[in-house]
Amino acid sequence: GAVVSQHPSWVICKSGTSVKIECRSLDFQATTMFWYRQFPKQSLMLMATSNEGSKATYEQGVEKDKFLINHASLTLSTLTVTSAHPEDSSFYICSASSVDRGSVNEQFFGPGTRLTVL
Amino acid sequence: AQTVTQSQPEMSVQEAETVTLSCTYDTSENNYYLFWYKQPPSRQMILVIRQEAYKQQNATENRFSVNFQKAAKSFSLKISDSQLGDTAMYFCAFGANQGAQKLVFGQGTRLTINP
Repeated sequence: GAVVSQHPSWVICKSGTSVKIECRSLDFQATTMFWYRQFPKQSLMLMATSNEGSKATYEQGVEKDKFLINHASLTLSTLTVTSAHPEDSSFYICSASSVDRGSVNEQFFGPGTRLTVL
Repeated sequence: AQTVTQSQPEMSVQEAETVTLSCTYDTSENNYYLFWYKQPPSRQMILVIRQEAYKQQNATENRFSVNFQKAAKSFSLKISDSQLGDTAMYFCAFGANQGAQKLVFGQGTRLTINP
């Protein structure tokens, strides 16, 4: 139980284009979803927190107009990287939590999406 | 703001040995949760073990156990009878018991189990 999927797992795009990454909780309803960015050999950096039907809360330094997050349902959140540039190349990970699953604060992670911007 | 520090960037042990990964944190909260996550080469984050701060008893999950010292704000992970499949990045994480339910991660420790 508590499975989170991400799609796509790997995407290559041209500079200036937009890319959408989907995060789905497959067997539970996610009260909250989180988006992280991870550079090689580094820790996870929280980008934003989103609750279903509400605007996402972005961490300091994260451009909300560049990283658009939509949490339209209790099982789906999307991250759109707009006008992507090579410096946006990274590994993006989503996670989900639920008041009905796991302990407080426990997050269930997706497998990640590798974004390469040429 | 909470901070989590893992002071060992890399560790390496032989298979079947016991290894301890260190983690310290700083918080003014009294109720919180602590986690150890494993990230193998596949990069899928996997929960290893969790500890509720109000519990004095150290959490144990098979070969994995923690030494939780609340007063010292220390939360180390002990892996007994280490296996090749334990090779991974290990992240210590802190979660407050209220608010946005965010996790604060440490820098990670790269653990290599050698045959």
